[in-house]
Amino acid sequence: EDQVTQSPEALRLQEGESSSLNCSYTVSGLRGLFWYRQDPGKGPEFLFTLYSAGEEKEKERLKATLTKKESFLHITAPKPEDSATYLCAVQRGGADGLTFGKGTHLIIQP
Amino acid sequence: GAGVSQSPSNKVTEKGKDVELRCDPISGHTALYWYRQSLGQGLEFLIYFQGNSAPDKSGLPSDRFSAERTGGSVSTLTIQRTQQEDSAVYLCASSLSRGRFSNYGYTFGSGTRLTVV
Repeated sequence: EDQVTQSPEALRLQEGESSSLNCSYTVSGLRGLFWYRQDPGKGPEFLFTLYSAGEEKEKERLKATLTKKESFLHITAPKPEDSATYLCAVQRGGADGLTFGKGTHLIIQP
Repeated sequence: GAGVSQSPSNKVTEKGKDVELRCDPISGHTALYWYRQSLGQGLEFLIYFQGNSAPDKSGLPSDRFSAERTGGSVSTLTIQRTQQEDSAVYLCASSLSRGRFSNYGYTFGSGTRLTVV
C-alpha cells in the first residue's frame, strides 16, 4: 500500500526565516511525486512534479528535491503570502489516482 | 470556463437523504477526478474518468457512492442514504492528459463542503 507521511504537521516561521518541509513516501514503482499548495477554502494548486531521485525544481522562493525515500520542499526567505498548507502526493505506475499526505500547515509571520 | 467549477459550494443534508454534487471541468480536459478531503486526513481518491473509457471506480468507499460523466464533460457525484461519516469536502479536478498520468498535475476546483446532520 502506498504511503505518504509529511512533517512537521505545522510550522510557524518569521518572515525571511528559511526552512524545509519533509515528505517521506513508500510506493512501488514511483511514476511521479507532486507538491501542491492549498489555501483555506480552496482546492490544491499544483506546484511541482518530480520523477526521479536527484531531480530538483524551483519556483520563486520554493525548491523541491527528491530522493528514493523522501522529498523536501525548501522555502527560502518566505513571505506572509507563502502561508498555506503544502501537500505532497505520489502516483504509482499503473495507478489512476494520487496518494496524498496530510499536509504541512505553514504560517509565515510578518 | 477558466477553472474547474463545483456546485454547490456548501451542502447540509439530513442523515439518510441522497445528495448530488456537480463538477464542471475545464473545457477540453479529458481527464476528471473526484477526491474526498476529510478533517485531519489527506485527500482520498474516489473515481477517475478519461474520455469515453469506463471509469476507474476503485476508490469509491461503498456502493452508496456513484458518479457519472455526461458527454465527456460535466460530472455528478451521487451519495445515497448519507451518513455522518460522509461529511467532508469533495474535490473535483481535471487535466489535459490523455493517459492516467499528468506531468502537470491537475487543476482542482474549490470543492463542495458536505455536512451530514
